[in-house]
Amino acid sequence: NAGVTQTPKFQVLKTGQSMTLQCAQDMNHEYMSWYRQDPGMGLRLIHYSVGAGITDQGEVPNGYNVSRSTTEDFPLRLLSAAPSQTSVYFCASSKRRAGEKLFFGSGTQLSVL
Amino acid sequence: TQLLEQSPQFLSIQEGENLTVYCNSSSVFSSLQWYRQEPGEGPVLLVTVVTGGEVKKLKRLTFQFGDARKDSSLHITAAQPGDTGLYLCAGGRAAGNKLTFGGGTRVLVKP
Repeated sequence: NAGVTQTPKFQVLKTGQSMTLQCAQDMNHEYMSWYRQDPGMGLRLIHYSVGAGITDQGEVPNGYNVSRSTTEDFPLRLLSAAPSQTSVYFCASSKRRAGEKLFFGSGTQLSVL
Repeated sequence: TQLLEQSPQFLSIQEGENLTVYCNSSSVFSSLQWYRQEPGEGPVLLVTVVTGGEVKKLKRLTFQFGDARKDSSLHITAAQPGDTGLYLCAGGRAAGNKLTFGGGTRVLVKP
């Protein structure tokens, strides 16, 4: 009963480093998305995908890249980390689209020094 | 500027008291969801409302969608410590692929 799995749980980066946050779901969901959560600002959409090979930008896409080569995986890449990217990142999926029930992973807490 | 404004931002009450959390927008949404999030975990869906004026009850929780589909409220009767958490509302648009979240209301229920 895995659902949505995110790795790593915690990560510390230096400014300028790159890294990939992993997200995998085993529910055969078409829709996957990445959010960042900052205090008092709720969740803000970074990128989303409606199926393998299809991605699009959300509210705050700058500094992040995504790809969707399989239905199961939706990695988020930070190209050159900045302190402003310190946040908690959540991956979420749903059957077909955003307005349906979203299933969230348990998050990645990222600190950029 | 957030499209969905939640109030209050923080609420601390004693066990057994009632509370109401509000979610307001100047935009119309085709659906409104409420999530609860506990520390170190991702949000978990509580309910989805889709019809203006709709009221849904989930045990001690009552959710209402405004007639104009621009606002919603969550009312908890006789709150318990297990209701402690961050409550988030999220609005969706028909055929849209983006869900807009409010800033959240942190609820603390003291025993």
